Amino acid sequence: DAGITQSPRHKVTETGTPVTLRCHQTENHRYMYWYRQDPGHGLRLIHYSYGVKDTDKGEVSDGYSVSRSKTEDFLLTLESATSSQTSVYFCATGPTYEQYFGPGTRLTVT
Amino acid sequence: GEDVEQSLFLSVREGDSSVINCTYTDSSSTYLYWYKQEPGAGLQLLTYIFSNMDMKQDQRLTVLLNKKDKHLSLRIADTQTGDSAIYFCAERASRGSYIPTFGRGTSLIVHP
Repeated sequence: DAGITQSPRHKVTETGTPVTLRCHQTENHRYMYWYRQDPGHGLRLIHYSYGVKDTDKGEVSDGYSVSRSKTEDFLLTLESATSSQTSVYFCATGPTYEQYFGPGTRLTVT
Repeated sequence: GEDVEQSLFLSVREGDSSVINCTYTDSSSTYLYWYKQEPGAGLQLLTYIFSNMDMKQDQRLTVLLNKKDKHLSLRIADTQTGDSAIYFCAERASRGSYIPTFGRGTSLIVHP
């Protein structure tokens, strides 16, 4: 599997607090993605990147922003966390048509 | 729009074969994937098939594709308790976005 790490793995934060999740890959993959996984909703795409500084929105992008200043890092920021953003967040990367997933970050917003 | 459908649960006995089914709507699908997710972990890419193939076999896993009916299946031979997990089907169209569309996942429960 691709070398993909996510940090932190667990986080509890308060409503209104900014939060940044990091995805790091060592495979030099061009594409990177952020998903959230919630019961009853499956996987939903938040944002994705097709190159350094090239990003686009997914289906549930409201309240989230991303940045990719290096090939290996893709950051997801919740500007002002809300309870509806409590979820498990997965990063994925891929060279072209494949996706390899990271271990996930469990975020709880109280 | 694109849609991928899977049944939510499948229960089998250890040693039996499991067949997990998936249907999709996008006739331009080029790549179809199966992922496995164990509790507390990310999704693991199990296998994928190109749309110009009917079947792909990899050890205990057999993927069958019926393009006419837009139906994909994953057969696990000699199912073991370690195969208990959620299995996701995904498809990617040949044109437009390269973003895969995922099904909601099938929870496979293997009884001893």
